[in-house]
Amino acid sequence: GNSVTQMEGPVTLSEEAFLTINCTYTATGYPSLFWYVQYPGEGLQLLLKATKADDKGSNKGFEATYRKETTSFHLEKGSVQVSDSAVYFCALILNSGYSTLTFGKGTMLLVSP
Amino acid sequence: NAGVMQNPRHLVRRRGQEARLRCSPMKGHSHVYWYRQLPEEGLKFMVYLQKENIIDESGMPKERFSAEFPKEGPSILRIQQVVRGDSAAYFCASSPPVQRPQETQYFGPGTRLLVL
Repeated sequence: GNSVTQMEGPVTLSEEAFLTINCTYTATGYPSLFWYVQYPGEGLQLLLKATKADDKGSNKGFEATYRKETTSFHLEKGSVQVSDSAVYFCALILNSGYSTLTFGKGTMLLVSP
Repeated sequence: NAGVMQNPRHLVRRRGQEARLRCSPMKGHSHVYWYRQLPEEGLKFMVYLQKENIIDESGMPKERFSAEFPKEGPSILRIQQVVRGDSAAYFCASSPPVQRPQETQYFGPGTRLLVL
C-alpha cells in the first residue's frame, strides 16, 4: 500500500534558524506529494505541493523538491519565525485512478524567540 | 466564500451515547471527506461522499459509524454507542467538482470528541 514516513518531533529551533523536516514515501503508483500545516486548534491548510519528479513546491518561504530516486519530499525553510510553530504533515495521492490522501504522522515544529 | 464549517468544535459524550458531527462544505463543493486524527497520529481517511452517495467508506469502522451527505444540509458523521477509543479529532474536507477532486481538498477546523 501507500505510506508516508516523517521525522519525529518535536523539532525545536530558534528564530531565524534553518529548518528541514524529512519525509519519505512508498507508493503503489506515481504520486503527487503535499505538505500541509496545522496551527493549534485549527484544520489543515495546504502549504505546497509537487506533482512530478524534480518539481519544487514553494510557498511562504517553504520549499520541497520531489525526489523520485530517493522517494523523498523534505520540507525546508531558510529562516523560521515564531509564527511557523505548528504541526506539519506530509501526504501523497496517486496521480492515476482513484486514490485518497495518505498522511504521515506529522512533525511538530516549535520556534522560540 | 466561507470555508468548510464543522460543528460542534468540541463534543463531550459519555460511553454508550451517540455523537453527531456536522460538516458544511464550501459553497459549490459537492465532495466531502471525513478523517480521524488520534493523539500523536496523522489523519486517517474514513469516508468519501458525494451528494446522497457514499463513494468510498473503506476507512470507516464497520460497526457504530455511519455517514451521510443529503441533498440538502450538511454532511453528518454519526457514532453510536461511543467508547473511549473514539476520542479523537474528526476533520471534514470538501472539494469542488473538478476532474480529480481528491487532490483539491479544503479542511475544516475539526470537531474534538472526548468520551468520558
